[in-house]
Amino acid sequence: EDQVTQSPEALRLQEGESSSLNCSYTVSGLRGLFWYRQDPGKGPEFLFTLYSAGEEKEKERLKATLTKKESFLHITAPKPEDSATYLCAVQRGKLIFGQGTELSVKP
Amino acid sequence: SQTIHQWPATLVQPVGSPLSLECTVEGTSNPNLYWYRQAAGRGLQLLFYSVGIGQISSEVPQNLSASRPQDRQFILSSKKLLLSDSGFYLCAWSVQGTVRYGYTFGSGTRLTVV
Repeated sequence: EDQVTQSPEALRLQEGESSSLNCSYTVSGLRGLFWYRQDPGKGPEFLFTLYSAGEEKEKERLKATLTKKESFLHITAPKPEDSATYLCAVQRGKLIFGQGTELSVKP
Repeated sequence: SQTIHQWPATLVQPVGSPLSLECTVEGTSNPNLYWYRQAAGRGLQLLFYSVGIGQISSEVPQNLSASRPQDRQFILSSKKLLLSDSGFYLCAWSVQGTVRYGYTFGSGTRLTVV
């Protein structure tokens, strides 16, 4: 059965304290892995698409990487405005979402 | 540019009342359309998806139904709401035939059934 597991469920960081979020997946015939950011009461906002193992994408303080079994979202020197829930999803036919990691960055 | 509109933003409905949530997409043709529900705890559950007018696939048996009367319009309905229908409902669209752009989500409807 296709499955996506994100860890940790919640992460609290101090401003400037770099860390990584994990997304482990079990899916055959992966067509793409997606990272989204979701602010409270809003719809998810697209961040990255990764297609194959070894691929990396960057956007400001965020960097996403992909292996054959998992993806990492690295956050370098985070700021309070990076606080949000980060969702990972894999696509085989339709998107299958993980439960998300709630990130809180304190000044 | 493509935009997705979803309304209303917030809705409080009594148990047993009907429901109609509407979603429209602008700036694209023949999109794939989706309805998701997000319960407390953040997980997104796919409810329905559509690849064309009148074509609806249901992912989860439930008290809800969906319709696509026009190419860029997607409607989520219920004849009689249950307490368990409360949640955050999200509409999304994607380009047919490619995964490159993922899904684009609307701003959501917070439904509270009382």
